[in-house]
Formats: sequence, C-alpha cells, structure tokens
Amino acid sequence: QVHLVQSGADVKKPGASVKVSCKASGYTFISYYIHWVRQAPGQGLEWMGIINPSGGATNYAQKFEGRITMTRDTSTTTVYMELSSLRSEDTAIYYCARELRELGITLGSFDYWGQGTLVTVSS
Amino acid sequence: SYELTQPPSVSVSPGQTASITCSGDKLGDQYTSWYQQKPGQSPVLVIYQDFKRPSGIPERFSGSSSGNTATLNISGAQAMDEADYYCQAWDSSILYVFGTGTKVTVL
Repeated sequence: QVHLVQSGADVKKPGASVKVSCKASGYTFISYYIHWVRQAPGQGLEWMGIINPSGGATNYAQKFEGRITMTRDTSTTTVYMELSSLRSEDTAIYYCARELRELGITLGSFDYWGQGTLVTVSS
Repeated sequence: SYELTQPPSVSVSPGQTASITCSGDKLGDQYTSWYQQKPGQSPVLVIYQDFKRPSGIPERFSGSSSGNTATLNISGAQAMDEADYYCQAWDSSILYVFGTGTKVTVL
C-alpha cells in the first residue's frame, strides 16, 4: 500500500534552513506529483508547492518564492523540501501529500499524506 | 489572492445532518475537495471533484458545488465525525488553495 514517511521533528534558530524528507513507497514514484502543505499551531492548512518527481519541475506558492526549494531523488523515491531564512512564523507541522490521479489525469486533490514533521523555529 | 471561506464551527446532534459551506469567487468553476482532520492526525480526503468519495469513505459523506459555494454534508452524523474539515480548490490560475477550516462538533 501507499506510504509517505517523513523525517523527524527538527528545531532551528531564526535565519537557519531546514530540509524535510518524504520517502514514498507502494506505488510508481514518478507517476504522481508530490505537494508540501504546512499547518501552524492551531491554524489551518497552507499549500506551499508541488514537485513532479518525473522531471523535477516545481511550482511554488508565491508566498514562499525565493525561500523554498523542492527536490527529488528517484533512486531512493524521496522528495525533499528545504525552507531557508527561517523565522518564528515558520514554526509548523509540514506535510507531504500525493496528488490523486484517475485514468492518468491529475485531479487537484491529495489522496495520501505523510505523518507530518514538526519544525520549531526558536532562538 | 484567492480565498475560500468556511464557517468556524458547526454543531450537529447525533444522527442529524451537518452541512459545511465553502465560499469562493466562481468556486463552481473549479473542482472542490474536502478533508477531515482529527487532532494530532494528518488530513484525510473525504470528497474530491465536488462529490466523489474515495474508497473507504462512508456514504454519509456527500458533496455538491454550484455558483460560489461548495457544500459538504454529513448525514447521520456520528461521534467519530467530530473533526476539523477543510475545503480545497484547484485550477491552473489559483493553483491550490485551502479553506479556513470548520470545526464540527457532534453533541
């Protein structure tokens, strides 16, 4: 079955960078887009960006442009999300999620989610 | 930027129907998805393409969309349905956007 397993919690100082991993299994890695979504404590869900594991193409939410980088390693079926210039407002749970496909068409929904990675930004 | 607005909270008696709305400009022109999130857990997809249910999602969850509003209905609500619910829309211009979230209480 499909699994998305993320790296463990991390604590960073303001101004630092964090890199979160998301290892996919149970399906053909290059056939499904992967997204990153975050959730600040007690807040709602916020879409951050998307990566196409097939060619590595990315598209980021305007809010994160310049600070976010998504990459993938097809040999280990792992996707990475790196966020730089961290500030306290970046304290959140970061999720990776797979985009649903039916009959070869992507549907703009997220059918499988990782368990989440808590990133705490504190001096 | 595109925004999706949901009521902060909805209360429902057990066995009754809870309706959660999601409002956005011309939302009916896009596909809407709905997610259930229980405390300490990752979101779960309960409705996609406005009204379709993924495998394993109970039939009491249903969705619809028209004009500027999408709606998630939970028929015969159960205690296990207590959770936060988020709508989400997608198209090539707005990309991916989540609603503000609704806390559903069954009491």
